[in-house]
Amino acid sequence: SAVISQKPSRDICQRGTSLTIQCQVDSQVTMMFWYRQQPGQSLTLIATANQGSEATYESGFVIDKFPISRPNLTFSTLTVSNMSPEDSSIYLCSVEDLLGEKYFGPGTRLTVT
Amino acid sequence: AQSVAQPEDQVNVAEGNPLTVKCTYSVSGNPYLFWYVQYPNRGLQFLLKYITGDNLVKGSYGFEAEFNKSKTSFHLKKPSALVSDSALYFCAAHGGATNKLIFGTGTLLAVQP
Repeated sequence: SAVISQKPSRDICQRGTSLTIQCQVDSQVTMMFWYRQQPGQSLTLIATANQGSEATYESGFVIDKFPISRPNLTFSTLTVSNMSPEDSSIYLCSVEDLLGEKYFGPGTRLTVT
Repeated sequence: AQSVAQPEDQVNVAEGNPLTVKCTYSVSGNPYLFWYVQYPNRGLQFLLKYITGDNLVKGSYGFEAEFNKSKTSFHLKKPSALVSDSALYFCAAHGGATNKLIFGTGTLLAVQP
């Protein structure tokens, strides 16, 4: 199974600033995804992180607000830009391995004040 | 549109009794179905999945789920609940043409001693 780590685990940020979240997986994976879990709600897919090319965003999410990088097969970053209190959520990295198994990271709990 | 429904926000069960957490889905093509569990302040943990084969899938911690194609359901079950099973359970699915998971809204399982 893939083991995923995320940094930071949590942060409190001021409105208008940006935060970059890192996702590292211990093995090469085919797909990497970023999800958001708003307080008391389910998970919503933000985007698919594509290696070496621009991420594929879901409806309602745009690159300017959530720029994503994936420089190699085991690492990705998500930036939450120009934050507002509505961005307070848990952000989760997810991967899919060669067997089609899906794993989730521990999440980054973001609070915007 | 593809969707996953968990009709119960919360399920209460006494320790030692059987439990069922309900899930229905609507996806294009053959369904890929998953159950995840989330403990407080923790990431999602994979419980089990159905892709093909036997309709009864056995997973981690004694959980199992039954795929019912005619009812488009994938209910999670356990013969004897433990207090430690108390957590938030998410059903997720995707159709054969995509690997983007769609999540249900989650069901809080509360097992009373």
